[in-house]
Amino acid sequence: TQLLEQSPQFLSIQEGENLTVYCNSSSVFSSLQWYRQEPGEGPVLLVTVVTGGEVKKLKRLTFQFGDARKDSSLHITAAQPGDTGLYLCAGGGTGANNLFFGTGTRLTVIP
Amino acid sequence: GAVVSQHPSRVICKSGTSVKIECRSLDFQATTMFWYRQFPKQSLMLMATSNEGSKATYEQGVEKDKFLINHASLTLSTLTVTSAHPEDSSFYICSAVAGGSTGELFFGEGSRLTVL
Repeated sequence: TQLLEQSPQFLSIQEGENLTVYCNSSSVFSSLQWYRQEPGEGPVLLVTVVTGGEVKKLKRLTFQFGDARKDSSLHITAAQPGDTGLYLCAGGGTGANNLFFGTGTRLTVIP
Repeated sequence: GAVVSQHPSRVICKSGTSVKIECRSLDFQATTMFWYRQFPKQSLMLMATSNEGSKATYEQGVEKDKFLINHASLTLSTLTVTSAHPEDSSFYICSAVAGGSTGELFFGEGSRLTVL
């Protein structure tokens, strides 16, 4: 099992603040995905990064894949209550399309 | 986008009974589906890989005789929790690959199992 550690595990911030979530592993991944999950629902894909050093932006969300493809970060600018949820990173191995999920970061944005 | 549907979304059963959860790809064929388990406030743990027409591949520590997986068609995989116990209570989620082995992964809505 390839372990993906996320930090922080829990984060509660005020609306309008910025935040960064980290996803770290000792394993190399061919790709890394970020998901957001609402309570009682399945995860929804936010982004996939495949190239070391890659940066992708999705509105107020910025995703970065580490140069060595072992880690990733998610930065949210001016957080809004609608950003509240469980954020999961997930790594895919070479030749495999099953994912190993990170430990998760539960974000609460307070209005 | 592709849709994966699970049924039932919630199920409550008595200890010792068996429960079947269905995972369907509604608008695409999926030769491979995955089953995950998620305990409250925790991440998803891969249980097994379901392959159409062949036996499922189980992750280490997952009992194949307790969690029976059948992938009889290209649009349906089922997970049967046999002789359920309260510790089997969890949120079970499936995912399916669209577009071949390198296709995008889509997740179902999840099924919450409560064993009394």
